[in-house]
Amino acid sequence: EAQVTQNPRYLITVTGKKLTVTCSQNMNHEYMSWYRQDPGLGLRQIYYSMNVEVTDKGDVPEGYKVSRKEKRNFPLILESPSPNQTSLYFCASSFGLAGANTDTQYFGPGTRLTVL
Amino acid sequence: QKEVEQNSGPLSVPEGAIASLNCTYSDRGSQSFFWYRQYSGKSPELIMSIYSNGDKEDGRFTAQLNKASQYVSLLIRDSQPSDSATYLCALRDVIKAAGNKLTFGGGTRVLVKP
Repeated sequence: EAQVTQNPRYLITVTGKKLTVTCSQNMNHEYMSWYRQDPGLGLRQIYYSMNVEVTDKGDVPEGYKVSRKEKRNFPLILESPSPNQTSLYFCASSFGLAGANTDTQYFGPGTRLTVL
Repeated sequence: QKEVEQNSGPLSVPEGAIASLNCTYSDRGSQSFFWYRQYSGKSPELIMSIYSNGDKEDGRFTAQLNKASQYVSLLIRDSQPSDSATYLCALRDVIKAAGNKLTFGGGTRVLVKP
């Protein structure tokens, strides 16, 4: 089954304790992206990756890191989480046909993160 | 002004009626437009995409795009209780935006009452 998976699905942690949220896709997609969703603010892009070893900042990258060592995986790293990073996080992927209108992004199930 | 504006709702419609959702955007360079449905606590699910001015129908859903007026709308015909969800409007400027970045509106919550 074609899918985007994320782990963990739920996480409660404390300020300053490093954490990683994993994202994996089995559709051979080149493009992967992380979004956070907050009430009233909608979905905002954190980081994205056009391909292996190619990553760039989105609209709200502060406090986050990513890596893309393999095509299928795109982990999100919070080196020192803070309460304002409490949010619902989604990973998304697509074939990434640059300039192609028809490229569709598929979303993972989400990770609900609470930082105390 | 937000790049993508949606009325947050809730939009309450009786079962069997037509739900009409609107979305306006500020970037005239936007070329691709999408409607996602999101159930509470779940991930967004693509239900419609539209790239040209006019109407596009898919089952009970019709998307309408007017680039001159910078709005895109979604009609849900014969609304069912299972259509109760938040509907997210998203757009992509394939020239300006790096890669495949989607810019989302805040979503419109729809409640279909039996």
